[in-house]
Amino acid sequence: DTEVTQTPKHLVMGMTNKKSLKCEQHMGHRAMYWYKQKAKKPPELMFVYSYEKLSINESVPSRFSPECPNSSLLNLHLHALQPEDSALYLCASSPGPGLAYNEQFFGPGTRLTVL
Amino acid sequence: AQSVTQLGSHVSVSEGALVLLRCNYSSSVPPYLFWYVQYPNQGLQLLLKYTSAATLVKGINGFEAEFKKSETSFHLTKPSAHMSDAAEYFCAVSVDTGGFKTIFGAGTRLFVKA
Repeated sequence: DTEVTQTPKHLVMGMTNKKSLKCEQHMGHRAMYWYKQKAKKPPELMFVYSYEKLSINESVPSRFSPECPNSSLLNLHLHALQPEDSALYLCASSPGPGLAYNEQFFGPGTRLTVL
Repeated sequence: AQSVTQLGSHVSVSEGALVLLRCNYSSSVPPYLFWYVQYPNQGLQLLLKYTSAATLVKGINGFEAEFKKSETSFHLTKPSAHMSDAAEYFCAVSVDTGGFKTIFGAGTRLFVKA
């Protein structure tokens, strides 16, 4: 299995809702990432997990809360989001956290709309 | 600081023509460079990567890129464009900030005309 899966594919939520995005990989990768991508822009890194521990937080607002329950799963909990948070949220994984030459494997993304 | 710059936000070619997408990097140390492709409403997919093993790197779908240190460039080429190559292409560099992360260029949208 060489893919990263993300659910749901689309999500519409109000500003007072609480929702979660889910990401899963079964490639034995030990680094997992969350990115935010606005239209016609490159992905922006949000969080990095290395060996299930949060290693990088790119000063993301606390209304985004990541969680890595095990080496295969990555969640992003959403609460009190703003309309400007509407974007494509991409999950990625890579084999080794400390290896600069490792490429990342991306999921198809969750298209989030905040009303 | 390490970074990449993609020249041209849009490139248009005819089917069968040469594809050339430009990327220049800025790095004080040998960089690890990547090209990713993103088709509409999909995630990113690796086309190829440079890890200093060879300056000419061959990737998937007939793409290749040449690392030129003297020009600080890593341009992506394909001899003959196909309609299915129409997509967004991102050049990227791996940087060490106490943990490695990938910095993406702004992207180049490739249009292929019939």
